[in-house]
Amino acid sequence: DAGITQSPRHKVTETGTPVTLRCHQTENHRYMYWYRQDPGHGLRLIHYSYGVKDTDKGEVSDGYSVSRSKTEDFLLTLESATSSQTSVYFCAISESPVEQYFGPGTRLTVT
Amino acid sequence: AQSVTQLDSQVPVFEEAPVELRCNYSSSVSVYLFWYVQYPNQGLQLLLKYLSGSTLVKGINGFEAEFNKSQTSFHLRKPSVHISDTAEYFCAVSDRGSTLGRLYFGRGTQLTVWP
Repeated sequence: DAGITQSPRHKVTETGTPVTLRCHQTENHRYMYWYRQDPGHGLRLIHYSYGVKDTDKGEVSDGYSVSRSKTEDFLLTLESATSSQTSVYFCAISESPVEQYFGPGTRLTVT
Repeated sequence: AQSVTQLDSQVPVFEEAPVELRCNYSSSVSVYLFWYVQYPNQGLQLLLKYLSGSTLVKGINGFEAEFNKSQTSFHLRKPSVHISDTAEYFCAVSDRGSTLGRLYFGRGTQLTVWP
């Protein structure tokens, strides 16, 4: 398996609080991605990064921000969590724009 | 933009029977095609991919898929399934000309294999 870890693996938080999810890789891959997975929707891209400090929005970016200050870390922040952001969040990495490797996921519940 | 349609949300099948999971895509550009599998409470694992060349692609665990450009399809098949194949399967596409590798996923097909 590609060296990808996500933390925390599970989190319960209250509406209105900020939350930060971390994706850490040991593969030195250039590209990193954040997806959310919801029943009936498959995976949808939130944000992605194509290098340190180089990030861009995906299709469901409202309410989320990201940062990448080091190659190995890609942080996803929910600025003020809402119940609609209850989801499973997956990080992915790739070296070429062809094949992505996925992390184990973070299950986030916003109450 | 690309879109992916997985025609069946659930596919129940008995052990040792053949199975086909259907995937159609829509795109104005040439694409790469992928199938991923997700076992319960796990991340996604790449089953197989079509990049170029032969339209019949073989993947892990005995799965194969065929790219049909005229029908814009990439159906996944296995001649004989096992209980352990029970999982959710996702079809995905990316723009062949993109340097960013964004994946567009279908909504998934839950394959349940019964004894």
